[in-house]
Amino acid sequence: DIVMTQSPDSLAVSLGERATINCKSSQSVLYTSNNKSYLAWYQQKPGQPPKLLVYWASTRESGVPDRFSGSGSGTDFSLTISSLQAEDVAVYYCQQYYTNPPLFGQGTKVEIK
Amino acid sequence: EVQLLESGGGLAQPGGSLRLSCVASGFSFSSYGMSWVRQAPEKGLEWVSAISGFGESTYYADAVEGRFTISRDNSKNTLTLHMTSLRAEDTAVYYCARPGFASRSVEACYFDSWGQGTLVTVSS
Repeated sequence: DIVMTQSPDSLAVSLGERATINCKSSQSVLYTSNNKSYLAWYQQKPGQPPKLLVYWASTRESGVPDRFSGSGSGTDFSLTISSLQAEDVAVYYCQQYYTNPPLFGQGTKVEIK
Repeated sequence: EVQLLESGGGLAQPGGSLRLSCVASGFSFSSYGMSWVRQAPEKGLEWVSAISGFGESTYYADAVEGRFTISRDNSKNTLTLHMTSLRAEDTAVYYCARPGFASRSVEACYFDSWGQGTLVTVSS
């Protein structure tokens, strides 16, 4: 199985400041044949299901604000919120879909400082 | 609009059984393999099982292999998870999830649509 490890487990950022979440996979999730990394990011607010933010490591889902951006390739990835808004308080998860089972990271809780 | 509506959760005794359902609408159900993902209280997301578009292939997490059975009825746009030999550690909200791209296989995928979830509690 490809294990996903996120860091930090939680972070507190001031409104308008940048928040960066890291995700590391236990093996590469990059398919060299198409040069795509099979990595997605989700946002989950309390009492709600997860919401897809980013797929293919850096493709933003339709309707997701452009302050959210994904980067990275191979085994190391990041989700950046360029200017944190109050509504961004949530838990964020990365997920690999390179191979079954499609495992998630443990989650990173983002709060307002 | 894609909608996924789960039902069937509730309280079950250890060793007991429950059957969860997910009714889908707003898309061509048979064109998508579908998955169940669960979340224990105050814990992270855990993928549980997947089924191909026509139901001929299934895949399970090790934690539920041999105890849970995933199935689907495309005539009713319904996904089902039959859970047996339930354990306390199966307590979770169970989500029905649709892949972000149409594929009838059980290949790993990301999920662009989720239901609201149904809570399963296993306790004596």
